[in-house]
Amino acid sequence: GQQLNQSPQSMFIQEGEDVSMNCTSSSIFNTWLWYKQDPGEGPVLLIALYKAGELTSNGRLTAQFGITRKDSFLNISASIPSDVGIYFCAGPYSGAGSYQLTFGKGTKLSVIP
Amino acid sequence: DGGITQSPKYLFRKEGQNVTLSCEQNLNHDAMYWYRQDPGQGLRLIYYSQIVNDFQKGDIAEGYSVSREKKESFPLTVTSAQKNPTAFYLCASSVNRVGQPQHFGDGTRLSIL
Repeated sequence: GQQLNQSPQSMFIQEGEDVSMNCTSSSIFNTWLWYKQDPGEGPVLLIALYKAGELTSNGRLTAQFGITRKDSFLNISASIPSDVGIYFCAGPYSGAGSYQLTFGKGTKLSVIP
Repeated sequence: DGGITQSPKYLFRKEGQNVTLSCEQNLNHDAMYWYRQDPGQGLRLIYYSQIVNDFQKGDIAEGYSVSREKKESFPLTVTSAQKNPTAFYLCASSVNRVGQPQHFGDGTRLSIL
């Protein structure tokens, strides 16, 4: 079945630093979604990408849909303490007629003030 | 405001007891989902429903049951057959189109007494 591999699994950074994380798939995706989960809360959608090569920003966050359609990247610039959380990538599950999503296992971000 | 409401936030189960987790949405979404989240394991799909009165097993359905009698509601019952129920449970909903983002509730944390 499909697998999404996120890396890194976790990262510790100093406040103010930029962050990069990525997600790769074993199959081609037509959509990439990035979510953030704060501790004890549900995931919240950050950015949705629908076209290969697309680059989309949401404040200090920028995500890119890889041109191979098998990967996506999320960058956070000038990190702040409230960026702490788990970041998940997701894409459409390949089952016929299914509206499910496949999720990566997440990148856990810690920001040191 | 439109959204997904999960209740309760915290739930305790005694051995041999069934417990039911509530999920209500007012987003007019046809599809609803239940996920289980354990530390370091990402989101695992328990059950999903694409339309009222119909639901399908996900990857880890054993020991769980659901119903979908109303569009707005998708309760999850954790039965006594689920031997390791301690986890964070997340409910989500989406429109019925491939690749559409899912919107999540704030979760229910279930623990064993």
